[in-house]
Amino acid sequence: ETGVTQSPTHLIKTRGQQVTLRCSSQSGHNTVSWYQQALGQGPQFIFQYYREEENGRGNFPPRFSGLQFPNYSSELNVNALELDDSALYLCASSPINTDTQYFGPGTRLTVL
Amino acid sequence: GESVGLHLPTLSVQEGDNSIINCAYSNSASDYFIWYKQESGKGPQFIIDIRSNMDKRQGQRVTVLLNKTVKHLSLQIAATQPGDSAVYFCAEAPLNRDDKIIFGKGTRLHILP
Repeated sequence: ETGVTQSPTHLIKTRGQQVTLRCSSQSGHNTVSWYQQALGQGPQFIFQYYREEENGRGNFPPRFSGLQFPNYSSELNVNALELDDSALYLCASSPINTDTQYFGPGTRLTVL
Repeated sequence: GESVGLHLPTLSVQEGDNSIINCAYSNSASDYFIWYKQESGKGPQFIIDIRSNMDKRQGQRVTVLLNKTVKHLSLQIAATQPGDSAVYFCAEAPLNRDDKIIFGKGTRLHILP
């Protein structure tokens, strides 16, 4: 177990709706990254938060946004959902001054 | 552009044998490489990492080899066990990465009884 938790486990939305996914990092982890993993693919980097500010972003449109809170928990928000947003969304946290990322179990999002 | 790829999408290995999973990367600026194991329904699990100033690193039953000349990475699993069945991803992190990690598509390791 990595100590990184995510909620909900599964979620079904319809096209055009908005969704918020949540992640709780391990104590002492001050960096959180979010990834999208399509079926049969490797995770794709969405963005990273460090000390509550965005610290790097992958090739995802602005309708993907995030927040990191003082307790190092984090949210991923996706607006105007599209069918292609259906995927496993993973968050990963890193301890201070290390590169190693520890992943949560993910949230499976299905957009109908 | 940047890419991390794997030579074989599926690898079948007899239980007890050694497994070797290969990976090619294209960004010569990458300085940090990681292997992850992902079991069905779970997030990726860190296995072992290596920095570009090393060519070999050993863990418990696993060894990672890095050949920067040909931009090749491999994961060796000794005495493969049924619990090793999973998808294995190599990932790279370029020097100026902002901690962005680039994953390959994965290799499924299938253990034969």
